[in-house]
Parts: sequence; C-alpha cells; structure tokens
Amino acid sequence: SQTIHQWPATLVQPVGSPLSLECTVEGTSNPNLYWYRQAAGRGLQLLFYSVGIGQISSEVPQNLSASRPQDRQFILSSKKLLLSDSGFYLCAWSTGGEETQYFGPGTRLLVL
Amino acid sequence: RKEVEQDPGPFNVPEGATVAFNCTYSNSASQSFFWYRQDCRKEPKLLMSVYSSGNEDGRFTAQLNRASQYISLLIRDSKLSDSATYLCVVSMDSSYKLIFGSGTRLLVRP
Repeated sequence: SQTIHQWPATLVQPVGSPLSLECTVEGTSNPNLYWYRQAAGRGLQLLFYSVGIGQISSEVPQNLSASRPQDRQFILSSKKLLLSDSGFYLCAWSTGGEETQYFGPGTRLLVL
Repeated sequence: RKEVEQDPGPFNVPEGATVAFNCTYSNSASQSFFWYRQDCRKEPKLLMSVYSSGNEDGRFTAQLNRASQYISLLIRDSKLSDSATYLCVVSMDSSYKLIFGSGTRLLVRP
C-alpha cells in the first residue's frame, strides 16, 4: 500500500531564516506530487505541483520554491521566511491520470 | 466570487440527527467532485467521490446537480465521531488541480 511521509511535523522559525520541508511517497511510481498551504481558518491553497522528476509548476508567486530531485521526493524551500509564511503545509500525491489526491500528515510552520 | 463556496457552519446537531451540507462551484467546466473530511489539526482525508448519478456509502450520501452547479452531502444517524470539517472539492477538466472549499464544520453533541 502507498504511504506518504512529511517532516518535520512542527517547526518554529524566525523571520528571515531558510526553510526546507520534505515529503516522500512509498509504494507507487511516478506519482503526481503537490504542495498546499492552509492558513488558519482558510481553505487549502495549491502552491506547487509536479508530474515528474525536475518538473515543477508554480501556482502562486511567492518566496517559496519546490524541487523534485527523485521520483518520490518533493521538497519545499525558502531562502528567507516571512511572517505570512506561517501555516499548515500539506504534501499530497496522486496516480497519473487519477484526480483523487492523498495527503501526508502535514507540517505546522510558525514564523516569528 | 470564490470558485468553491461552502457555509462555514458550525452545524451543531445531536447524535442520531440527519444533517446536510451544500456546496456551490462557479466553473461549469468542472468535471470531478469529492468530499474530504478534515479533523482538527490533521490532514484532509477522502470521504467519497461524487458521481453524476449520486452515490451512497453507508450513512453518507452525495449528490451532484450540474444544472445548478451544486454538490450535497447528507449524513444520516450522526455519530460523535462525525465531528469534523467537511471540504467540498472540485477538479477541472484534464487538470491536476483540485479546488478546495473552505469547509463546513460539523459538531455532533451527545
């Protein structure tokens, strides 16, 4: 069966510090991968998605970036965090051609 | 106008009650529809897909009305464990993108 992992589970970072969140998927090959952010009391906002290694599509302009160095690894990064980057970051995967997405446990980020 | 709109609630119902949520979407080209459930401080989990003919999974029934562009979720015989936020989700034709509503919060009381 497929599983998706995210770490860390929680993170407190000062403004201006760098960020690296990691997501890995097991039990499937060539998944579509997604990064979402959910601000407090808000809906999920799609940040990036990837259909293959090195292929990243950005949905919103921001100071975040994403990379996919391996088939089942998706990384979300920032060089300098802003207060507005605080939120719940969720990684998700889907099988190519299928629309149903399955989410990882998420990383709760607080920027102070 | 939001692409997917939901009443945020909360809907506060007693155990055993029947409760219904509606969701409207703005893009008539939308092709696929889902309900996800999200517990407090947890990730969303797929509850059920919504098919054109309507579908049922135990106590849960989902309906789609394309003409009026709304989706509904009916929960019968509510349990305490049904307390959660229910997210309405829409997918565009030939797109990898899911559009999430902000969710409807359900509280089931003893």
